[in-house]
Amino acid sequence: NAGVTQTPKFRILKIGQSMTLQCTQDMNHNYMYWYRQDPGMGLKLIYYSVGAGITDKGEVPNGYNVSRSTTEDFPLRLELAAPSQTSVYFCASRMQLEAFFGQGTRLTVV
Amino acid sequence: QKEVEQDPGPLSVPEGAIVSLNCTYSNSAFQYFMWYRQYSRKGPELLMYTYSSGNKEDGRFTAQVDKSSKYISLFIRDSQPSDSATYLCAMSARTDKLIFGTGTRLQVFP
Repeated sequence: NAGVTQTPKFRILKIGQSMTLQCTQDMNHNYMYWYRQDPGMGLKLIYYSVGAGITDKGEVPNGYNVSRSTTEDFPLRLELAAPSQTSVYFCASRMQLEAFFGQGTRLTVV
Repeated sequence: QKEVEQDPGPLSVPEGAIVSLNCTYSNSAFQYFMWYRQYSRKGPELLMYTYSSGNKEDGRFTAQVDKSSKYISLFIRDSQPSDSATYLCAMSARTDKLIFGTGTRLQVFP
């Protein structure tokens, strides 16, 4: 059982470039989340989804977009990358109370 | 005002000490309260959850919720070096948006 899988694990982007962070879960969970975690800080919610076709903004959505065409996949799109988006990004899925996290994507924007 | 505030730490305690970790919240709609543990360079993992005021015990860990004061705590008894990690409180109004605190880094030294 793979759980929540994120790709890539590491990425360096140049300012102004775009990229998509991939997230896939195989637990048939309805709820999925994207968080960013800056050094020494907690998790800030970027976007979340309560089911296929439904997404909503979290605490820090600016500069990001998401889509949820299937239950399994919840990609996060960065348009026009900025140094402020340097962070570790975590995807999570949830059915009841417990959220399961991926291993994270370390993104550096230079 | 942030929805969830967490004592920032860091905390450094000797092995065997009792540790108290605390969060406050402002959103009266929060019904579910969770504590996650995060080891360095890993995703968070659920430690405990509760959805009512009072105490819940699980081994050396006790989660306490006071809804009237909007205050939650996690107590660790007989702390061990293996407890060294970052502890994050998390809250949810229902099973949708999941908001985290900023995390408290704990170090337990032998």
